[in-house]
Amino acid sequence: NAGVTQTPKFRVLKTGQSMTLLCAQDMNHEYMYWYRQDPGMGLRLIHYSVGEGTTAKGEVPDGYNVSRLKKQNFLLGLESAAPSQTSVYFCASTGLAGGYSTGELFFGEGSRLTVL
Amino acid sequence: GDSVTQMEGPVTLSEEAFLTINCTYTATGYPSLFWYVQYPGEGLQLLLKATKADDKGSNKGFEATYRKETTSFHLEKGSVQVSDSAVYFCALSDLARGGSYIPTFGRGTSLIVHP
Repeated sequence: NAGVTQTPKFRVLKTGQSMTLLCAQDMNHEYMYWYRQDPGMGLRLIHYSVGEGTTAKGEVPDGYNVSRLKKQNFLLGLESAAPSQTSVYFCASTGLAGGYSTGELFFGEGSRLTVL
Repeated sequence: GDSVTQMEGPVTLSEEAFLTINCTYTATGYPSLFWYVQYPGEGLQLLLKATKADDKGSNKGFEATYRKETTSFHLEKGSVQVSDSAVYFCALSDLARGGSYIPTFGRGTSLIVHP
């Protein structure tokens, strides 16, 4: 079982470059999330999606855009990368049962991004 | 809004010692509570959960009890092993405004177990 797959796992960018992180899940989950993890800061929610074609801002959305064109995919874009966006990015998903979420998140292995 | 507070780390223990990692929360609704574990270089994975007051979640020798009266969900293990060295995250999941489930995480507690 693949679960949640993130690509790429590592990337180095120069300031001002753009890139897209891809998250794919094969569990037919409705909810998908993008987090960033920084030392001493825990996990901070960037954007999330409650279903295909929907997205919403999280705690730290500035400088990022997302799209959920297909239920299984959630893309995170950086239009003009900045050194402050150097971080480890995690995608997660969760499903519904009887209209309610179990609350349990399934995480990808992370994407380590360095912006020089 | 909802929040989760867990003890600062790192927590350093000798093998076979008793572990407690404190976690308290604030929530407007009636959340489900979770502990996740992150091993080096990996993503988070669910360790245990509890969905209502007085529920005890358990897994791999770890336990935590949902205490609504003290808004706490402390993680315990009677005898830690070197392989338990990881970062532990307390989290809650609740219905937010608009009907969306927005998980809230604590900052994580690093556990280091020495032989």
